[in-house]
Amino acid sequence: KAGVTQTPRYLIKTRGQQVTLSCSPISGHRSVSWYQQTPGQGLQFLFEYFSETQRNKGNFPGRFSGRQFSNSRSEMNVSTLELGDSALYLCASSLGLAQETQYFGPGTRLLVL
Amino acid sequence: GQQLNQSPQSMFIQEGEDVSMNCTSSSIFNTWLWYKQDPGEGPVLLIALYKAGELTSNGRLTAQFGITRKDSFLNISASIPSDVGIYFCAGLADNNNDMRFGAGTRLTVKP
Repeated sequence: KAGVTQTPRYLIKTRGQQVTLSCSPISGHRSVSWYQQTPGQGLQFLFEYFSETQRNKGNFPGRFSGRQFSNSRSEMNVSTLELGDSALYLCASSLGLAQETQYFGPGTRLLVL
Repeated sequence: GQQLNQSPQSMFIQEGEDVSMNCTSSSIFNTWLWYKQDPGEGPVLLIALYKAGELTSNGRLTAQFGITRKDSFLNISASIPSDVGIYFCAGLADNNNDMRFGAGTRLTVKP
């Protein structure tokens, strides 16, 4: 069974641009969560989707948004990029709503110049 | 949001030594988790703890859920070079709405 896949793996953008990251969960998994990982702040929860509905949202500005499609694939979007948005963005999927059983993807490393 | 206090930040040990790291919080958690992250990869779940006082092993790894539900520790016995990586603790609170992470412990094992 294929694991969680994220595309692209690496991305370079400039301030003010917007970016869309994609996550394909493990087949059969219906829950997708997104996290931001930086050296300074560590791993921080962004949001969680289940059956195309956002269930939970972390403490991030409205520039960060996401969605989930009927096939459980998810995208997150960051608008008006800032230098501080440079980070590894991790996606994790789980079968149901139990976050403790989630599997992480390899992440998308975003660099904002 | 409030993250967990994980220590130590880094450890440099000799192959064969035992390792211990811990996480504390001012909040109560229902679930404690320990992950390992290798460079360029996402975290991989090592051990999940669901009950206060629970002691769980996974090979050379042993983790415990603190009685107060505010702390957890992870031990690695007889370390080997492939144990190198960053270890994270994570906690899920009563509402299970989101997961909080520790800052990580970077482990280096010298052969």
